[in-house]
Amino acid sequence: QSALTQPASVSGSPGQSITISCTGTSSDVGSYNLVSWYQHHPGKAPKLMIYEVSKRPSGVSNRFSGSKSGNTASLTISGLQAEDEAHYYCCSYAGSSTLVFGGGTKVTVL
Amino acid sequence: QLQLQESGPGLVKPSETLSLTCTFSGGSISSYTYYWGWIRQPPGKGLEWIGNIYYSGTTYYNPSLKSRVTISVDTSKNQFSLKLSSVTAADTAVYYCARRVGGDWYFDFWGQGTLVTVSS
Repeated sequence: QSALTQPASVSGSPGQSITISCTGTSSDVGSYNLVSWYQHHPGKAPKLMIYEVSKRPSGVSNRFSGSKSGNTASLTISGLQAEDEAHYYCCSYAGSSTLVFGGGTKVTVL
Repeated sequence: QLQLQESGPGLVKPSETLSLTCTFSGGSISSYTYYWGWIRQPPGKGLEWIGNIYYSGTTYYNPSLKSRVTISVDTSKNQFSLKLSSVTAADTAVYYCARRVGGDWYFDFWGQGTLVTVSS
């Protein structure tokens, strides 16, 4: 069970759109529509942003969207805002009642 | 208001057992709807799932940690706990407790985390 692969960093200017990829294998991301995304500001509790690949919890801005193609899931942030600057982690069900996280992506708003 | 609060020693010696407790307030840990989990983040690294427990005591563990991990629940105190044995410096991390939606595999609510350092 290896960690999902995310880019270390992604940046964009206010108002732009960015996409964070999350690459797994046919044993996790590719086999289940059970990918979730979390936003983490240092020192705070991680926050659920997307679940089941593309569903948004109540209260999460519709600027955040998720998708999946094959073994890669993606999180897109549109209309980038200063408050979106944080670390983002993907997570996938990996079978046999286990979970695997990604290494995290630092989003910088230029 | 929902709250998950981790507690326990911030410093543990190598080879000893790390013990943490998570207290849930604002609801019941005995809810049929939720599982309860532990996740950790070593300094400068990503998140790592440790395991989950249901109020009935059913547990699921990360295979890479399974031989050293025990997660238990105390419904009378609305708490669940983590024990990690034979710790090394590699177990130094911020440890988070979180609530997982039953029947699904995502965490909808997290604690703020607590730093545990393994050092002599």
